[in-house]
Amino acid sequence: GEDVEQSLFLSVREGDSSVINCTYTDSSSTYLYWYKQEPGAGLQLLTYIFSNMDMKQDQRLTVLLNKKDKHLSLRIADTQTGDSAIYFCAEYTGKLIFGQGTTLQVKP
Amino acid sequence: DAGVIQSPRHEVTEMGQEVTLRCKLISGHNSLFWYRQTMMRGLELLIYFNNNVPIDDSGMPEDRFSAKMPNASFSTLKIQPSEPRDSAVYFCASSSSSTGRAFFGQGTRLTVV
Repeated sequence: GEDVEQSLFLSVREGDSSVINCTYTDSSSTYLYWYKQEPGAGLQLLTYIFSNMDMKQDQRLTVLLNKKDKHLSLRIADTQTGDSAIYFCAEYTGKLIFGQGTTLQVKP
Repeated sequence: DAGVIQSPRHEVTEMGQEVTLRCKLISGHNSLFWYRQTMMRGLELLIYFNNNVPIDDSGMPEDRFSAKMPNASFSTLKIQPSEPRDSAVYFCASSSSSTGRAFFGQGTRLTVV
């Protein structure tokens, strides 16, 4: 079945890099996604990677995919206080299954 | 496009009452997902549709919950009768089934007292 796991909490200092990790179980995933949720808001699509890629860079965001280990990571360079939010990874296998979310705390 | 539109944004109702949540998809999208978010259980997929047809409703908690797509751009999620444990934020999301790139509405915060 599908299962997506994330660590629950990450704390970094402003200006440092943040790395949020995710593992998934369904090897038939076609796309993998990262979403951001700020308090009281819906989920905002940040970036995604197709399953035949191993890296994607988009400005301060870098997504790494290790398909063999079913491991996905999101690196945020030069983390800012505005990046404080909950980050969800999700796999798409015809339906979209989310991890439990990682709360990123950015300290000034 | 205005994005996925959900209504109402907030709903407070008494236990036993019927609740209907509404969702308008992004034009051109053919997949629709309903999720429920709580602190305890995180983000749970309740049901999803492709081309107006329900594909997987295994996440629907019980028979009190029902979802429909009367047309390609609109969906409802109904809870009848509502119970306090249904209190949560309910999100709908739409996507093109070819990419799965889903866009979320702002959610409906439901409180059942």
